[in-house]
Amino acid sequence: KQEVTQIPAALSVPEGENLVLNCSFTDSAIYNLQWFRQDPGKGLTSLLLIQSSQREQTSGRLNASLDKSSGRSTLYIAASQPGDSATYLCAVKETSGSRLTFGEGTQLTVNP
Amino acid sequence: EAGVAQSPRYKIIEKRQSVAFWCNPISGHATLYWYQQILGQGPKLLIQFQNNGVVDDSQLPKDRFSAERLKGVDSTLKIQPAKLEDSAVYLCASSRPGGAKNIQYFGAGTRLSVL
Repeated sequence: KQEVTQIPAALSVPEGENLVLNCSFTDSAIYNLQWFRQDPGKGLTSLLLIQSSQREQTSGRLNASLDKSSGRSTLYIAASQPGDSATYLCAVKETSGSRLTFGEGTQLTVNP
Repeated sequence: EAGVAQSPRYKIIEKRQSVAFWCNPISGHATLYWYQQILGQGPKLLIQFQNNGVVDDSQLPKDRFSAERLKGVDSTLKIQPAKLEDSAVYLCASSRPGGAKNIQYFGAGTRLSVL
């Protein structure tokens, strides 16, 4: 059974810092991995999707990496801003048609 | 393009009562998902529909939860009777079938409190 773990559970940083969020999964045979953002009272927004054959994806100040063999992914946020404050969730899909298995999320607070 | 619509946004009921949630997916999205997100946890898939057929309901507590997607568009999720542990946010998502990415788009969710 696939299990996804995210560390840390919460993180508070001053504005402008670069930061890394971690995600690990127990079964390395994945199809893809996604990072989502969740704002209070709102649904999830997909930030980055990495296929199993890829090593990283970038979008603006966000960079996600994937190391399938070690069962790890990181989300790097450059020059953090207060607007980045949210909960970040990673999720893995084991086959093209299977469900997403989510981690418990990292709650990020960026202080002005 | 309109997003995934869910209603109601909030619901408070007493245990043993019944409750229903409604979801309207993005137009043209054949796949619809219902997730349960308990406070402090990641979402857990309850049921996945492809058009009006069930693809995955392995994590749906079928003794009290039911869902339907008539005509392959809107969907309702029902809980009868509710228990205290059903307090959670119920998220609906939709996606286009097939394709390498198959990104899911989420609604804002319905926050259920069972007292």
